[in-house]
Amino acid sequence: RKEVEQDPGPFNVPEGATVAFNCTYSNSASQSFFWYRQDCRKEPKLLMSVYSSGNEDGRFTAQLNRASQYISLLIRDSKLSDSATYLCVVRQGGKLIFGQGTELSVKP
Amino acid sequence: GAVVSQHPSRVICKSGTSVKIECRSLDFQATTMFWYRQFPKQSLMLMATSNEGSKATYEQGVEKDKFLINHASLTLSTLTVTSAHPEDSSFYICSATAGTGVDGYTFGSGTRLTVV
Repeated sequence: RKEVEQDPGPFNVPEGATVAFNCTYSNSASQSFFWYRQDCRKEPKLLMSVYSSGNEDGRFTAQLNRASQYISLLIRDSKLSDSATYLCVVRQGGKLIFGQGTELSVKP
Repeated sequence: GAVVSQHPSRVICKSGTSVKIECRSLDFQATTMFWYRQFPKQSLMLMATSNEGSKATYEQGVEKDKFLINHASLTLSTLTVTSAHPEDSSFYICSATAGTGVDGYTFGSGTRLTVV
């Protein structure tokens, strides 16, 4: 079993759609949780950290359920510029462990 | 903000030769640096963790004699791919942290290695 698993994707959605990404992690001792965004052939960039209380940043909302070891990311009113691969990431013992990523393509 | 410079961004080498990739923290002291490899359509896989002045810790399945990591200073870590083979062709990315704060991981821009 992979340490961090995500929806396989790809997701193809029209502009303005709401998109949900799901992620589960296997190690209950994981300490911190993040969503990263990676554009083609570029390095990953931190999108947002994820907290148990849930957190929102503009059109982006992240949720964490420690009991079920589940993380989610919701993008509302998607834009063409949101097209990228979204990576679910957990921190374990100082190391970042990446999920395989879910590709999102937003079409006009 | 924190900046990590990684060079070269792209390199093509012949089979059997060695390639060195540099990762520099420009405006902070990186106590720990991480090296990742990413194959097409796959996620970043951690290869090794290096702390300044000590030997790198390699992940299971990563050959330490093939992927030499040196972290001689708080601002520089290097990854040398020795005796490169075509299957080593990949996207290599470094990440550095000063160890402060849960969001304190900065990534280099990556190196695309092609072995011919």
